[in-house]
Amino acid sequence: DQQVKQNSPSLSVQEGRISILNCDYTNSMFDYFLWYKKYPAEGPTFLISISSIKDKNEDGRFTVFLNKSAKHLSLHIVPSQPGDSAVYFCAATRVQGAQKLVFGQGTRLTINP
Amino acid sequence: EAEVAQSPRYKITEKSQAVAFWCDPISGHATLYWYRQILGQGPELLVQFQDESVVDDSQLPKDRFSAERLKGVDSTLKIQPAELGDSAMYLCASSFERTGLQETQYFGPGTRLLVL
Repeated sequence: DQQVKQNSPSLSVQEGRISILNCDYTNSMFDYFLWYKKYPAEGPTFLISISSIKDKNEDGRFTVFLNKSAKHLSLHIVPSQPGDSAVYFCAATRVQGAQKLVFGQGTRLTINP
Repeated sequence: EAEVAQSPRYKITEKSQAVAFWCDPISGHATLYWYRQILGQGPELLVQFQDESVVDDSQLPKDRFSAERLKGVDSTLKIQPAELGDSAMYLCASSFERTGLQETQYFGPGTRLLVL
């Protein structure tokens, strides 16, 4: 039972353009969502998060949008830079207390010069 | 900047052997998580500690896996005997978790295990 899904295994974007990574979830109990970035041979690094009381959160070049009715979130990176090439994981959890993260399968983003 | 430490970074073993992984969380972080990431998939929680107590080990294969955090600081994850299907990246994460609200989980570099 895949509660968090990232349906695009890979995405290729031109440098300077916008990258949009998508994530869907099925469990309506989730109310806190995160994006992690992972380089090869390293652990995931926290990027940005959003709670279900918001529909948008922005941090520099990164913006996360949440559509609760569709159980869908997306990460926008603009402008995309070569250093953004990595695997991006979407994760979902509960905001109350120490709860485990439920991860999607990841999307490999490649930024082309 | 404080980091989660893990060792070894890489481990190759033969099936039926015992292996152990070590994790030292960020100082002051009460909650420690062990995740397993199989190639092409996202990390999945194996076990979660709050201080020295196990909070969630529902996905830990207890016939062969064990985990401990005796003094509520560093932690060891053991597999005995290892099986071919255990080949994966084992990630440790920690978070502050004293506010009653979800805190950011910080991950270590992981241990890549290959079972032959």
